Amino acid sequence: DAVMTQSPLSLPVTLGQSASISCRSSQSLIHRNGNTYLNWYHQRPGQSPRRLIYRVSTRDSGVPDRFSGSESGTDFTLVISSVEAEDAGVYFCMQGTHWPYTFGQGTKLEIK
Amino acid sequence: QVQLVQSGAEVKKPGASVKISCKASGYTFSDYDMHWVRQAPGQGFEWIGRIQNTGDRTTYAQKFQGRVTVTRDSSTSTLYMELSSLRSDDTGLYYCTRDWFGSYEHWGQGTLVTVSS
Repeated sequence: DAVMTQSPLSLPVTLGQSASISCRSSQSLIHRNGNTYLNWYHQRPGQSPRRLIYRVSTRDSGVPDRFSGSESGTDFTLVISSVEAEDAGVYFCMQGTHWPYTFGQGTKLEIK
Repeated sequence: QVQLVQSGAEVKKPGASVKISCKASGYTFSDYDMHWVRQAPGQGFEWIGRIQNTGDRTTYAQKFQGRVTVTRDSSTSTLYMELSSLRSDDTGLYYCTRDWFGSYEHWGQGTLVTVSS
């Protein structure tokens, strides 16, 4: 299975500052069709996850452009350029290239 | 709009079985593969299994093989998951999700399953 390792697991951030979350895969996530199926989600307490980004860097409709995704080999990064209060919660990555789909452990972003 | 509405919370004893449902609306149910994932208390997510859009084929995570059955009813646009021989470590939130090219855009609201004697 592709192991997804996130860091940090806890991320205290001041409002207006940027935040960066890393997700490293134990194997290449390039599908045989050439696409890379790496997703980022945000989950608030008591809610279902909301997808923010798919295929590494494509933002979902309605997701602010302060969220961006990038890749370097098997390392993937989610950056929030200017954190707002509503961004608090848990962020996790998920790969959908290999069976079974696997998830990062989650990063808890808290507002200082 | 797309909605996945799951059945309510369940409390089961060890060794029992549970069957939870997920009713889809707002799209053509037979166009999409459907998955189940689990989130144990305070833990990350774990993939349980999937059923192809036609209902012909299922795939399960190795750790659930033999204990889980995923089915779908196209006439009611409903997805089901039955998990048997429940243990205390099966306690958690179970989510149905709609898969589209390796991504879950839509999730159910989650069903809490508690296994306790």
